[in-house]
Amino acid sequence: QSVLTQPPSASGTPGQRVTIFCFGSSSNIGTNNVNWYQQLPGTAPKALMYQNNQRPSGVPDRFSGSKSGTSASLAISGLQSEDEADYFCATWDDGLNGYVFGAGTKVTVL
Amino acid sequence: QVQLRQSGPGLVKPSQTLSLTCAISGDRVSSKSAAWNWLRQSPSRGLEWLGRTYYRSKWHRDYIVSVEGRITINPDTPKNQFSLHFNSVTPDDTAVYYCAREVYLGTSTSFDIWGQGILVTVSS
Repeated sequence: QSVLTQPPSASGTPGQRVTIFCFGSSSNIGTNNVNWYQQLPGTAPKALMYQNNQRPSGVPDRFSGSKSGTSASLAISGLQSEDEADYFCATWDDGLNGYVFGAGTKVTVL
Repeated sequence: QVQLRQSGPGLVKPSQTLSLTCAISGDRVSSKSAAWNWLRQSPSRGLEWLGRTYYRSKWHRDYIVSVEGRITINPDTPKNQFSLHFNSVTPDDTAVYYCAREVYLGTSTSFDIWGQGILVTVSS
């Protein structure tokens, strides 16, 4: 069972806005910044968001992130077919003294 | 352009040692602004961070508690690579293993470069 909790799935039609949530605790999200990773089928994860709401170079601005208390969220606005992937949240856990991940949310474009 | 290239066997027998290597191009394993990580992914465990090594005037190693004692991550400066050794494996250790570079971005870190991944199956 993953330390961070994510819904297993989310979906939307092209052009819609989809929001993915990630729930943690005071020892992880409550204290540390959250990163998000996108994993396309059959490939390695790719950095999508760091420091809660910062996009690495090359990531479209329709991806946005936020954090509040012990939860974080990733929003995809203007959903596109190429956004169909698994999305993972991650952060450092001070109690476990290591990085922890969510189980991932599979985004389906209807 | 930084790239990580993983190598190692795809099949390991139970109780034996799993050994993988991650070759670095475009950066140095001894860089003082990066850390070199191993992670794994399986249907039962999801994405799991295993540990890392990094150089800050001396070599450091951090491991997740659940695998501490079974795992060693070593840098190889002459070959500019790092390795994972995981002993006493069981079928539960079957997973896709990834190496990844961790860098500081702003006030936090991120796994910005990943290896291609290797599926390691533990079976007799």
